[in-house]
Amino acid sequence: AQKITQTQPGMFVQEKEAVTLDCTYDTSDQSYGLFWYKQPSSGEMIFLIYQGSYDEQNATEGRYSLNFQKARKSANLVISASQLGDSAMYFCAMREISSNYKLTFGKGTLLTVNP
Amino acid sequence: KAGVTQTPRYLIKTRGQQVTLSCSPISGHRSVSWYQQTPGQGLQFLFEYFSETQRNKGNFPGRFSGRQFSNSRSEMNVSTLELGDSALYLCASSLVGYLQETQYFGPGTRLLVL
Repeated sequence: AQKITQTQPGMFVQEKEAVTLDCTYDTSDQSYGLFWYKQPSSGEMIFLIYQGSYDEQNATEGRYSLNFQKARKSANLVISASQLGDSAMYFCAMREISSNYKLTFGKGTLLTVNP
Repeated sequence: KAGVTQTPRYLIKTRGQQVTLSCSPISGHRSVSWYQQTPGQGLQFLFEYFSETQRNKGNFPGRFSGRQFSNSRSEMNVSTLELGDSALYLCASSLVGYLQETQYFGPGTRLLVL
C-alpha cells in the first residue's frame, strides 16, 4: 500500500487564486510528521511547511497552510494568492518512527499557475 | 548559513563505470540522507548516515553504497552503472534526523548513463 497518496497528477490555477493540493497518508504510528516540498524545474527540493501528528493547530507559513484532518489521514496543502513562481512539482512526505525516521514521498502534483 | 551542496551537478558516464557523488550538509547537521529521483519511480530513499554510521537503508542493490566522514560530509558510490541508474540524486541534511526535523535538500546531481 502507498504510504503517501497524491491523487492529482496535475493542477491548474489562475494567478491570485487559491489552490488546494491533496495528500492522504497511511500509518499505524501515533507519532509522525508530515512535510510539503516544492520542486521547481531546476530540481532543488524546497521545504514549505511541516505538521506534527500531535499539533492541534493547522500549520501556516506565509501563503502556505496545511489542512490537517487526522481522522481522515489527510494533509492538504493550501496555497493562497497563487503567483506565477508557484508553478512547480509539489510533494507531500511523511516521517514515521516505525520507518526509522526515513522520509517517504508521494508521487507529486504538478501545479501550473496561469496568468 | 550555507545550504546543502552537492558535487558534481552533472555527470555523464557509460555502462559498467562507477561514480562517486559528494554531499556537504548544512553546518551542524549530522544526519545525511540520499534519494534517487526518476520519472518512473519518483523519489526513492537510498540510505541515511548519522555520525559516520549507516542508520537506515532503502531497497537498492549492493551496487549503491555510501559513507560519511567525521565532518558529516557524505559520499555515495554506484558501481557497475546501468542505464536505469540515470536519475537525479538528491542529498538532504538535518540536525540529527528525528521525527519533527526538516530535511534540507541540495541542488542534486544529474547522472546520465549511456
